[in-house]
Amino acid sequence: IAGITQAPTSQILAAGRRMTLRCTQDMRHNAMYWYRQDLGLGLRLIHYSNTAGTTGKGEVPDGYSVSRANTDDFPLTLASAVPSQTSVYFCASRPGLSSGANVLTFGAGSRLTVL
Amino acid sequence: GENVEQHPSTLSVQEGDSAVIKCTYSDSASNYFPWYKQELGKRPQLIIDIRSNVGEKKDQRIAVTLNKTAKHFSLHITETQPEDSAVYFCAARGVGTNAGKSTFGDGTTLTVKP
Repeated sequence: IAGITQAPTSQILAAGRRMTLRCTQDMRHNAMYWYRQDLGLGLRLIHYSNTAGTTGKGEVPDGYSVSRANTDDFPLTLASAVPSQTSVYFCASRPGLSSGANVLTFGAGSRLTVL
Repeated sequence: GENVEQHPSTLSVQEGDSAVIKCTYSDSASNYFPWYKQELGKRPQLIIDIRSNVGEKKDQRIAVTLNKTAKHFSLHITETQPEDSAVYFCAARGVGTNAGKSTFGDGTTLTVKP
């Protein structure tokens, strides 16, 4: 089934540890995004990639890094996790940047708890 | 950057009544305004969207209106049902250097009481 796969589904992590959240899509979408969702704060953009080989910073990029080596994969890395990074992380994608490629498709989310 | 404000944060209605959720945005160049529904523990899913060259769009019980001059847009749900209970998010998508990046409102928790 076409879509976005995120892993892990849930993770508890000690502060200071490095963590990579994986995101893979099989829809050949050019643009991919990472959002974090905190209670009462909606979805906030962490990083994005408009096409393979390019990335950009969103609203809340500090403490996170991304890479886009190919079209399908867009991993999010926390180099040294802190408790404030406890959140639900959603990966999303859309076909491209043209006005006809508007709809965001979301993954199922990764719940991360940093102790 | 773009700023999106959403009201109310919570909304409780009786089954069969209408529900209205409003959003305002700051960047007059934004040109795409989607609405997402998120059920508990699930991913956000698009329910309706509108582009800046359209004033209103309907899909069965759901409608969205856009006022570009005032920079606000609203979601209208008629004949609400218990399965409409969820968190609803509005978003605005930018252009230029913000092309492709959607800014979300903080969400509205809608409860439909049977």
